[in-house]
Amino acid sequence: DTEVTQTPKHLVMGMTNKKSLKCEQHMGHRAMYWYKQKAKKPPELMFVYSYEKLSINESVPSRFSPECPNSSLLNLHLHALQPEDSALYLCASSQGAEVLTYEQYFGPGTRLTVT
Amino acid sequence: GQSLEQPSEVTAVEGAIVQINCTYQTSGFYGLSWYQQHDGGAPTFLSYNALDGLEETGRFSSFLSRSDSYGYLLLQELQMKDSASYFCAVRGDNQGGKLIFGQGTELSVKP
Repeated sequence: DTEVTQTPKHLVMGMTNKKSLKCEQHMGHRAMYWYKQKAKKPPELMFVYSYEKLSINESVPSRFSPECPNSSLLNLHLHALQPEDSALYLCASSQGAEVLTYEQYFGPGTRLTVT
Repeated sequence: GQSLEQPSEVTAVEGAIVQINCTYQTSGFYGLSWYQQHDGGAPTFLSYNALDGLEETGRFSSFLSRSDSYGYLLLQELQMKDSASYFCAVRGDNQGGKLIFGQGTELSVKP
């Protein structure tokens, strides 16, 4: 199974809402990532979890809160977002961080619209 | 810091060969990856070069020259389904897990 799954596929939320994005992989990968991608732009790294611990936070605003409940699951909790946060949110995994980060498996993404 | 440069757009016809170049500037280097992303889809890993030379995987090949800080992705026997964005990427220096992507090259394959 080389699949990374993400739910929901689409999400529309108001600026006062609280919602969560979910990501799951069953490849035994020990590194998981959250990216944000705007149209016609490359993925922009937000967070990296390595062995279920947060190893990189790319100075992401606190209205985005990641969580890694176990080695297969990754959540992104959203609260008080701004319209400019509307984007495709991608989850990815790799066998490890560090050396093995070069080969990442991406989920299909959640298309988020903030109104 | 790290920076990668690749052309923004490339157009080619079916059956042709196209080369997408990537030059990089990094304070440390651990290898060059290539990803494909179809419109509305997720990035998909294509190849990785850690050492100089050519790596071939079916119709796709990737090349690296560490001395020139340069690599390319070569797509042969182009098909319409190859129309997509292609990103080169390097591992961030001293930051495990950080993959830095180029701005992407949009490849259009015409009949």
